[in-house]
Amino acid sequence: RKEVEQDPGPFNVPEGATVAFNCTYSNSASQSFFWYRQDCRKEPKLLMSVYSSGNEDGRFTAQLNRASQYISLLIRDSKLSDSATYLCVASKAAGNKLTFGGGTRVLVKP
Amino acid sequence: DAGVIQSPRHEVTEMGQEVTLRCKPISGHNSLFWYRQTMMRGLELLIYFNNNVPIDDSGMPEDRFSAKMPNASFSTLKIQPSEPRDSAVYFCASSILQGGGNQPQHFGDGTRLSIL
Repeated sequence: RKEVEQDPGPFNVPEGATVAFNCTYSNSASQSFFWYRQDCRKEPKLLMSVYSSGNEDGRFTAQLNRASQYISLLIRDSKLSDSATYLCVASKAAGNKLTFGGGTRVLVKP
Repeated sequence: DAGVIQSPRHEVTEMGQEVTLRCKPISGHNSLFWYRQTMMRGLELLIYFNNNVPIDDSGMPEDRFSAKMPNASFSTLKIQPSEPRDSAVYFCASSILQGGGNQPQHFGDGTRLSIL
């Protein structure tokens, strides 16, 4: 079983709609969580950190559920430019090593 | 501010040749990571350094792979001899190592490696 698992998608989303997807992590010692975005043939870029209380950044909302060991990402009012692969990341406190999920592909269509 | 700088951007070479990938981390960052990404296996961590010291090289696939970080501003990933299955995008990333929780990593543009 992978340490960080994601539904690969694709999630086909009409422009303006809301889309949400989850990521599960197997290591209960994980302490830090992030969402990265990767466009086709580009490098992963940090989208947002995920805090225990949940956090919002514009149209993006991230939630952490430690009891069930998953994090979620919700995108409101989807834009065509939101089309990308979203990578879930978990890490333990020590060592600075991040573990990436396989990514969830999102396609926003007009 | 300059981000993580990798070179070359593209490399095409024949199997058996030595390949050297280079990375300059963001100034002030003291952790450096080498990743490999393929369609089949996704993003895999190969090795990472904290303060120029290799911490975990368990992701290095074989002895043909080696990595060095001679100083805080430069690292290399070497493949010798190269094989077609090494074809992938190789990313370098850097971050700040501090206690209490891990910091996000910043990635370079990557090196697209094709071994013929």
